[in-house]
Amino acid sequence: KAGVTQTPRYLIKTRGQQVTLSCSPISGHRSVSWYQQTPGQGLQFLFEYFSETQRNKGNFPGRFSGRQFSNSRSEMNVSTLELGDSALYLCASSLGPANEKLFFGSGTQLSVL
Amino acid sequence: AQTVTQSQPEMSVQEAETVTLSCTYDTSESDYYLFWYKQPPSRQMILVIRQEAYKQQNATENRFSVNFQKAAKSFSLKISDSQLGDAAMYFCAYPDRDDKIIFGKGTRLHILP
Repeated sequence: KAGVTQTPRYLIKTRGQQVTLSCSPISGHRSVSWYQQTPGQGLQFLFEYFSETQRNKGNFPGRFSGRQFSNSRSEMNVSTLELGDSALYLCASSLGPANEKLFFGSGTQLSVL
Repeated sequence: AQTVTQSQPEMSVQEAETVTLSCTYDTSESDYYLFWYKQPPSRQMILVIRQEAYKQQNATENRFSVNFQKAAKSFSLKISDSQLGDAAMYFCAYPDRDDKIIFGKGTRLHILP
């Protein structure tokens, strides 16, 4: 079985631009969660989608949004990028709700200049 | 707010020795899961071990075991016979009351040959 796939691996953007990150979960997994990882704040929960519905949302501004498609693939979008959005964005999938075992992708490293 | 505290930002251990990483958490729930995840330089988080709070018996996975003390809200990870491949960031985590997975800040483990 293929693991969780995140694309792209690296991304460089400038302030004010927007970006879309993609996550393909393990086949059969219906839950996809997104996390932002920075050296200062550590891992912070962004949101979780389960069967195309947003089930949970973390404390991030409305510039951060996401969605899940019928095949469970998920995208997250960040609009009006700020320097502080530079981070590793990790996606994780699980069979059921995200309080079960999470399977992570290798992340997308976003640099905002 | 529900929190996870890892008091050791960095630790070192000699190869083949035993090391214990500490974690404390704060929850008002009575039944929950606790997790230890490992993040090697490849950045992909991997589940090391999981403990169910209603089980008194400590979880064990090969060289990895936990010391779970529910009343003290303590969940430490013991790595026996440390190997070079164990070098990584280790994160303690648990789902909060909304099932959002909360991670500690992590402990960077160095293995000395």
